[in-house]
Amino acid sequence: DAGVTQSPTHLIKTRGQQVTLRCSPKSGHDTVSWYQQALGQGPQFIFQYYEEEERQRGNFPDRFSGHQFPNYSSELNVNALLLGDSALYLCASSLGRSGANVLTFGAGSRLTVL
Amino acid sequence: SQKIEQNSEALNIQEGKTATLTCNYTNYSPAYLQWYRQDPGRGPVFLLLIRENEKEKRKERLKVTFDTTLKQSLFHITASQPADSATYLCARDNFNKFYFGSGTKLNVKP
Repeated sequence: DAGVTQSPTHLIKTRGQQVTLRCSPKSGHDTVSWYQQALGQGPQFIFQYYEEEERQRGNFPDRFSGHQFPNYSSELNVNALLLGDSALYLCASSLGRSGANVLTFGAGSRLTVL
Repeated sequence: SQKIEQNSEALNIQEGKTATLTCNYTNYSPAYLQWYRQDPGRGPVFLLLIRENEKEKRKERLKVTFDTTLKQSLFHITASQPADSATYLCARDNFNKFYFGSGTKLNVKP
C-alpha cells in the first residue's frame, strides 16, 4: 500500500519563475494538505483540498495556488518565486472527517530559489 | 493565534536514559495534541495522539501526557536508543488545519 508520493524530490528555480509540485495521497485518503517547512522550523499550513475545492487556507499570498483532481491527487503552484520561497514543501493526506485526524506525509519536494 | 512552542535547543542524552520533550500551547486547550517524528530530509511520521480528557497515553517505549492546567504536553521515550535520534514535532489541530511547533532535536549518544 503506497503512502503519499511527491514529485519532484528536488528542484532549482530562479526568482520570478513559476513551479508546480505534485502529490498523490495515501490510498483511501480524500483530503490533501500542503505545508511549507523552512530550515529549522516546523511545517506551516498553506492550504487544504477536499472534494476538489480549497477548504482552508493559511497565511500565504495568492501566489500560492493549488488544485485537486477527481482521483484525489493534488498540485501546488507557486508563481513569481521569491528567494524566501526556498523550503521543503510537504504534502499530507488524511480522511475528511470530523474529529481526530492523523496526517500522513510525503517525503517532500525541496525547492531552492536562486 | 494558536501557537505551539517547543524547546528549540537540542536535547542530548545517553543511551538507555529517558528523554523528555516539552510542548506548550497558547489560548484554549485543543481537543487533542499529536506528536510526530521527522528524520533529516524526510516528512514527519505520526507517533501518538492524546485527547484532552486523557491524562496519559502509552505506546511501547513512548509516553505522552496532557496537562490542561499547565497548557503543556510532555513526550517521553524510555530506554532511549541511538535510533531514536530525530526531530520531534508537536501539533494541534483546528478543524483539520494543523499548527506545528518548531520541533526539538533529540540526540541519543551510545
